[in-house]
Amino acid sequence: GENVEQHPSTLSVQEGDSAVIKCTYSDSASNYFPWYKQELGKRPQLIIDIRSNVGEKKDQRIAVTLNKTAKHFSLHITETQPEDSAVYFCAARTRTGTASKLTFGTGTRLQVTL
Amino acid sequence: DSGVTQTPKHLITATGQRVTLRCSPRSGDLSVYWYQQSLDQGLQFLIQYYNGEERAKGNILERFSAQQFPDLHSELNLSSLELGDSALYFCASSVVGGEGAAFFGQGTRLTVV
Repeated sequence: GENVEQHPSTLSVQEGDSAVIKCTYSDSASNYFPWYKQELGKRPQLIIDIRSNVGEKKDQRIAVTLNKTAKHFSLHITETQPEDSAVYFCAARTRTGTASKLTFGTGTRLQVTL
Repeated sequence: DSGVTQTPKHLITATGQRVTLRCSPRSGDLSVYWYQQSLDQGLQFLIQYYNGEERAKGNILERFSAQQFPDLHSELNLSSLELGDSALYFCASSVVGGEGAAFFGQGTRLTVV
């Protein structure tokens, strides 16, 4: 089955700096890669996603890149703010017909300091 | 608000007991997923249902079972509960066939004492 590795497990940056979180996946059949932000005790919230036919996607301060050949994708947050502090999860979806499995990485705890 | 509703929000029960967690997906979503998140852990995929039928299975224990009803709501049944089953249980839904983004409910926090 799919295996998603995520690094680093913790990341501390100063406000205004950039943060990068990297993930690798194992199943070449995976075709959809979302990123979720989870604040303490709350639901994971989708912040950005990318499909396998796209190399890069940007939404304001957040961008995601995908390298299908190397089977890795990354989340980039620019001009970080204290409210960006949370746990971020990457995920990879493998879909066969109506069977769909979204496998998550182990999470990155981002701390944005003043 | 994601549009996915989970009840109850909190549940405290004793070891050996059985509980049922309920999930109502977003309007129009046919796929429902269940995830387990233990303290400071990642999201472990349990099971996926599509339009009433089981479609994908993850690391779901035999003591756990799920179903999706004709109105598309889903229930996760946990039996013979152990202390280690204490966790946040999330339900997520997505559109037809699991295509597109999955949106999560607010979770049910289960505490087994």
